Amino acid sequence: EVQLVESGGGLVQPGGSLRLSCAASGFTFSIYKMNWVRQAPGKGLEWVSYISSGGTGIYYADSVKGRFTISRDNAKNSLFLQMNSLRDEDTAVYYCARFAGDYYYFDYWGQGTLVTVSS
Amino acid sequence: EIVMTQSPATLSVSPGERATLSCRASQSVSSSLAWYQQKPGQAPRLLIYGASTRATGIPARFSGSGSGTEFTLTISSLQSEDFAVYYCQQYNNWPYTFGQGTKLEIK
Repeated sequence: EVQLVESGGGLVQPGGSLRLSCAASGFTFSIYKMNWVRQAPGKGLEWVSYISSGGTGIYYADSVKGRFTISRDNAKNSLFLQMNSLRDEDTAVYYCARFAGDYYYFDYWGQGTLVTVSS
Repeated sequence: EIVMTQSPATLSVSPGERATLSCRASQSVSSSLAWYQQKPGQAPRLLIYGASTRATGIPARFSGSGSGTEFTLTISSLQSEDFAVYYCQQYNNWPYTFGQGTKLEIK
């Protein structure tokens, strides 16, 4: 069974940093492209960042470019999101989500971790 | 960036009736369109990909249609567990974008 389990969320002050993790199991993590998608309270879904299976291809949404860094450790079946210079508008549930093989829709999602940016 | 527009924002339907949700793209996305269902407090779940292919385990009452810029998700006979928020997502052009969602509520 495919499982994605996020952790690392919490309350942080504006300008602060946080590192999210996603532990993957039930599939061969190293061959799948992965993403972070977020959802502000009461709002819709926003794609945040993508990383290729080997970690060399990386993209960011304009809203987080230069502040967030995605990475992965295939030996540990883990995905990460380093978030710096956090803003109020970064408050959201952050989901780890898998791309379906060679197609760019999200076939599995984690349960999410809440990041709250507030003073 | 391709803008995805869903309508209506809220749809009120009685159990057992048919629900039709729409998604429009600001430019053609071919058939690279997915639909997701999200219930309160849960992660989104993939329903449809390729505009019309049901994901594994999705009941046959869910169907998708369309191509280019106009897409439809139809739920043929609503069950109590189908009342949720539905999102479309295009994956034809980077960045891959979502619609704002349609809330399907019990009438």
